[in-house]
Amino acid sequence: DMKVTQMPRYLIKRMGENVLLECGQDMSHETMYWYRQDPGLGLQLIYISYDVDSNSEGDIPKGYRVSRKKREHFSLILDSAKTNQTSVYFCASSLWTASGNTLYFGEGSRLIVV
Amino acid sequence: AQKVTQTQTSISVMEKTTVTMDCVYETQDSSYFLFWYKQTASGEIVFLIRQDSYKKENATVGHYSLNFQKPKSSIGLIITATQIEDSAVYFCAMREASSGSWQLIFGSGTQLTVMP
Repeated sequence: DMKVTQMPRYLIKRMGENVLLECGQDMSHETMYWYRQDPGLGLQLIYISYDVDSNSEGDIPKGYRVSRKKREHFSLILDSAKTNQTSVYFCASSLWTASGNTLYFGEGSRLIVV
Repeated sequence: AQKVTQTQTSISVMEKTTVTMDCVYETQDSSYFLFWYKQTASGEIVFLIRQDSYKKENATVGHYSLNFQKPKSSIGLIITATQIEDSAVYFCAMREASSGSWQLIFGSGTQLTVMP
């Protein structure tokens, strides 16, 4: 089954706490992504990973870091969460092809930082 | 730098009619890929349809089709015979072919409401 799974789906954290969002995919896709979605702003890319330990910053990487130690697993880490990191976070994966890539998205993780 | 703009924040249509959602993009690349994604009320985001810049023929999948106007840097999504379940947020996205990045840039989305 082609699926991207995100955990946890909902999370409330206090400002300054660390946050770990996890993402897994069962399609052996090389490329994985973390986006955040805020009202009126669409999806903004935080980080992209081309394979294990091959990560690149997206448009808004500040305040985030990622880890990819296995192809099927991609983590987003917030060290000392801030209130402006309250958002819905989406993980996605895609195949590496020269003809363009279709993204498969997870169901999203809603993070509230208070 | 690449950019994707969706100026229609929301659209309401009657069921079984045709709707067009607009999207314009900016890129310096001569080759690129354009996509439309749909986000349902549950938050699920799914791929709908894509257009490769080198193809002149407009893509069609089911009751979704594209109006690709390359000189205007425009890629409109057309939904014919709309159904209630087409109510969702629709995102336009682009990826440049020659850049070393696989980054997909999204527009801000258009909320479509289909009324009975």
